[in-house]
Amino acid sequence: EVQLVQSGPELKKPGESLKISCKGSGYRFATYWIGWVRQMPGKGLEWMGIIYPGDSDTRYSPSFEGQVTISADKAISTAYLQLSSLKASDTAMYFCGRGLPDNTGALIDNWGQGTLVIVSS
Amino acid sequence: DIQMTQSPSTLSASIGDRVTITCRASQSISSWLAWYQQKPGKAPKLLIYRASTLQSGVPSRFSGSGSGTEFTLTISSLQPDDFATYYCQQYNSYSVTFGQGTKVEIK
Repeated sequence: EVQLVQSGPELKKPGESLKISCKGSGYRFATYWIGWVRQMPGKGLEWMGIIYPGDSDTRYSPSFEGQVTISADKAISTAYLQLSSLKASDTAMYFCGRGLPDNTGALIDNWGQGTLVIVSS
Repeated sequence: DIQMTQSPSTLSASIGDRVTITCRASQSISSWLAWYQQKPGKAPKLLIYRASTLQSGVPSRFSGSGSGTEFTLTISSLQPDDFATYYCQQYNSYSVTFGQGTKVEIK
């Protein structure tokens, strides 16, 4: 069974940094893209970017380029989303998902459970 | 970025109704369009990809159509489990975008 398990909820102060993990199991992690999606409270889905763990090829959404860092360690089947200089507006649920090899790899067929990040002083 | 516009934003319907949601792209995306269903507090679920291909395990009352810039998701007979928010997603390029969502509510 394909599973993506994300790290737990986080409460951070403005200016701090954060790294969310997404561990895949039940499939060959290195050969599927991993995408990241943000969902702010009460709002829609926003595409952040995608990484191919096999060679760490990473593509960012223009809206998030320079604001976040996506990485992966294929040896431990884990992808990461790093947020730095956190602001209250980074408060959101962050989802990772497995991307199918359909065109850009951004077609997500399995999702993590989401990681809630709250940024508050 | 390619803009994806869904309509309506909210839809009130009854059990057994036929429901149609529209998604328009600001430029052609061929058939690189997916539909997801999301329930409160949960991750999205893939329903349809390549505009009209039903994901494995998804009930056949869901169907998708369209190509180019105009797409539709149809639920042929609305069931209690279908009350949720639906999103379209274009994956024509690495600059992926979602529609703003359509909430399907109980009438």
